[in-house]
Amino acid sequence: QSALTQPASLSGSPGQSITISCTGTSSDLGNYKLVSWYQQHPGKAPKLMIYEDIKRPSGVSYRFSGSKSGNTASLTISGLQAEDEADYYCCSFAGFSTNVVFGGGTKLTVL
Amino acid sequence: QVQLVESGGGVVQPGKSLRLSCAASGFTFSSDGMHWVRQAPGKGLEWVAVISYDGSYKSYADSVKGRFTISRDNSKNTLYLQMNSLRAEDTAVYYCAKDFLGTTPNFDLWGQGTLVTVSS
Repeated sequence: QSALTQPASLSGSPGQSITISCTGTSSDLGNYKLVSWYQQHPGKAPKLMIYEDIKRPSGVSYRFSGSKSGNTASLTISGLQAEDEADYYCCSFAGFSTNVVFGGGTKLTVL
Repeated sequence: QVQLVESGGGVVQPGKSLRLSCAASGFTFSSDGMHWVRQAPGKGLEWVAVISYDGSYKSYADSVKGRFTISRDNSKNTLYLQMNSLRAEDTAVYYCAKDFLGTTPNFDLWGQGTLVTVSS
């Protein structure tokens, strides 16, 4: 059982927007501005898409955005494209005892 | 070329040991925290361990504490994971990951992963 909770799967049509939620607690996600999001295609290493809750690394499409409210973080993908079909993981710092927690991952299907 | 390359994976019997390496190139290895993250077959990502840029700080997931040891040699631009008393549940692809914001989970560079299979 993962420390952060994500929906197991989501789907959307090309051009649509989807939002993946990631729920934690006040001990991890809700206590630090340190949520990151990763995209993983089958057989590949994960790729950083969002860091520090809302920041987008250079080279990542503007279609990807992050937000957070209380103990829930969200990744929104606008203008869905076929290449966005992948697994997405949220991750958070959880203090120096637990350190790092991941969500269970969300499989995004582009219909 | 900025990259991380893991090696050392393979098939090992339960209770035995294995050491993974992660060779860094193309960036100043000695400036960044480094992590190991693993992924069991068909499962999600699981954080394993972190080490600070100078090796002075280390932390482990409860599932590996007391069995795994993370270390680094900045003169060789290499990260290590010594895995002892291996169990079947340690079977996974092990990734090394660079943390560009210290030792908090902001992994901006990942290796391709190395598969560890624990089986008799």
